Amino acid sequence: EDKVVQSPLSLVVHEGDTVTLNCSYEVTNFRSLLWYKQEKKAPTFLFMLTSSGIEKKSGRLSSILDKKELFSILNITATQTGDSAIYLCAVIKAAGNKLTFGGGTRVLVKP
Amino acid sequence: NAGVMQNPRHLVRRRGQEARLRCSPMKGHSHVYWYRQLPEEGLKFMVYLQKENIIDESGMPKERFSAEFPKEGPSILRIQQVVRGDSAAYFCASSPSIRDSGGEQYFGPGTRLTVT
Repeated sequence: EDKVVQSPLSLVVHEGDTVTLNCSYEVTNFRSLLWYKQEKKAPTFLFMLTSSGIEKKSGRLSSILDKKELFSILNITATQTGDSAIYLCAVIKAAGNKLTFGGGTRVLVKP
Repeated sequence: NAGVMQNPRHLVRRRGQEARLRCSPMKGHSHVYWYRQLPEEGLKFMVYLQKENIIDESGMPKERFSAEFPKEGPSILRIQQVVRGDSAAYFCASSPSIRDSGGEQYFGPGTRLTVT
């Protein structure tokens, strides 16, 4: 059965800190890994990673995929209170389009 | 607003009633997905549809749940004879054709269903 595991489950940091979130997966016929940010409403798309070792960056957020070790990390630098959210990792297989999600990491950034 | 739209945002039903949840995909998107998020749990895939076709319904409960995406109009997720365990947030997502994208899906704001 396909499995996506995120760690840590939750963390509390102070503004300005750097946060590293982990996502490991066991999936047959892997195609891509996606990161989403979920506040009180819809998950918001952050990144899609398909190739190993290529970092994707958007402002203070960055992410990279390791297809050999089957994991991805999401980094947030210089955190702000607006970064407080649940961060979701999902994988998509080569055949079919459904996303298999991890349980999420809850991040709380304190002022 | 060019995003994925869902309505209603909140829906309260008594046990045994029917719930109908609607989803309009982003403009230009032809693929629709439904996911369910139970309290304190992650998002779980339910069904994947294209216009007039169910492509993958492997995540749908076998009874009481159905989905459609007609040629005209929004996609509908229908839950008959609701039970308390159906209380959850139901999210719709859409994507362009896989040929035009890597597969990223964009989510709507969700419908929060409460069964009393």
